[in-house]
Amino acid sequence: KAGVTQTPRYLIKTRGQQVTLSCSPISGHRSVSWYQQTPGQGLQFLFEYFSETQRNKGNFPGRFSGRQFSNSRSEMNVSTLELGDSALYLCASRRDLGAQHFGDGTRLSIL
Amino acid sequence: GQQVMQIPQYQHVQEGEDFTTYCNSSTTLSNIQWYKQRPGGHPVFLIQLVKSGEVKKQKRLTFQFGEAKKNSSLHITATQTTDVGTYFCAGPGNTGKLIFGQGTTLQVKP
Repeated sequence: KAGVTQTPRYLIKTRGQQVTLSCSPISGHRSVSWYQQTPGQGLQFLFEYFSETQRNKGNFPGRFSGRQFSNSRSEMNVSTLELGDSALYLCASRRDLGAQHFGDGTRLSIL
Repeated sequence: GQQVMQIPQYQHVQEGEDFTTYCNSSTTLSNIQWYKQRPGGHPVFLIQLVKSGEVKKQKRLTFQFGEAKKNSSLHITATQTTDVGTYFCAGPGNTGKLIFGQGTTLQVKP
């Protein structure tokens, strides 16, 4: 069974630009969550989607948004990028409320 | 809001020494999960504990869930260099969101 796939793996942007990250969950998993990870900050929860609906939301500004498609694939968008948005963005999928299965992440660098 | 706290944040041990990380929740949890993230990698699910007072073992790793289901611990016996990484605990919030602790980063000196 294929794991969680995130694209792209690396991304370099400049301040003010916007970015879209993609996540394909494990087949059969309807829940997709997004996390931001920076050194020393642990895993900061962004949001969770289940069956195309946002089920949970973290404490991030409105510049961070997401969506989920009917095939459970998910995208995360960040607009008006700031230097502080440089981080590893992790996507995780799970079946209902079970264990999270993480992708390798997208490392976003803002110049 | 609901919080999951982990201590210590960092731990350096000599290879062969034991290691323990502790996880405390501000609320009672229906279950607790543990993950390991190797340097440069992504978190990988290790185990889930559900019952009050439950103890589970995976080779040199021992996981415990407290009687009140508000705390948990992970103990590694005789650490090896392959144990290096960050260990996270996580518990479900009241909306089903998985709340992660800040993690404990383990360094093992050979």
